[in-house]
Amino acid sequence: EVQLLESGGGLVQPGGSLRLSCAASGFTFSSYAMSWVRQAPGEGLEWVSAITGSGGTTYYADSVKGRFTISRDNSKNTLYLQMNSLRAEDTAVYYCAKGEVVIIKGSFDYWGQGTLVTVSS
Amino acid sequence: DIQMTQSPSSLSASVGDRVTITCRASQGVTTYLAWYQQKPGKVPNLLIYAASALQSGVPSRFSGSGSGTDFTLTISSLQPEDVATYYCQKYNSAPLTFGGGTKVEIK
Repeated sequence: EVQLLESGGGLVQPGGSLRLSCAASGFTFSSYAMSWVRQAPGEGLEWVSAITGSGGTTYYADSVKGRFTISRDNSKNTLYLQMNSLRAEDTAVYYCAKGEVVIIKGSFDYWGQGTLVTVSS
Repeated sequence: DIQMTQSPSSLSASVGDRVTITCRASQGVTTYLAWYQQKPGKVPNLLIYAASALQSGVPSRFSGSGSGTDFTLTISSLQPEDVATYYCQKYNSAPLTFGGGTKVEIK
């Protein structure tokens, strides 16, 4: 059974940093691209970042480029999102999502339960 | 970047009605198009991938069609458990943009 378990969310002040983790199990982690998707309170889904199965290529939404860094440790079956220079508009539930294939050209067939990030003073 | 526009933004229909949601891409995405269902307070769930392929376990009353720039999600007979917000997403290249969502309610 595929499981994705996010952690690392919490309350942080504007300008601060957080690192989210997503522990994966139930599939061959390195064979699939992974993404982070966020959802602000009462709003729709926003894709944030993606990484190929090998970790060799990363992609970012313009809204987070230069502030967020996606990475993965295939030996630990874990996906990460390092978030720096956080802003109030980054407040959201952050989901990790598994891609269908090793590159990013795949839909998201499994999602984690999400972790809430609140940026506020 | 390619923009994804869904319509309507919300709809109300009766149980048993046929419901159609549209998604338009500002440029062609061939069939790299997915539909997700998000029930209130829940995690998004993949319904349709490759524009028309039904994800395993999804009821057959859901169907998708289209290619290029125009896509539709159809619920052939709306059920109470289909109350949710539905999102399209293109995934041919980054950014992997979602549409704004369509909220479906029961009349």
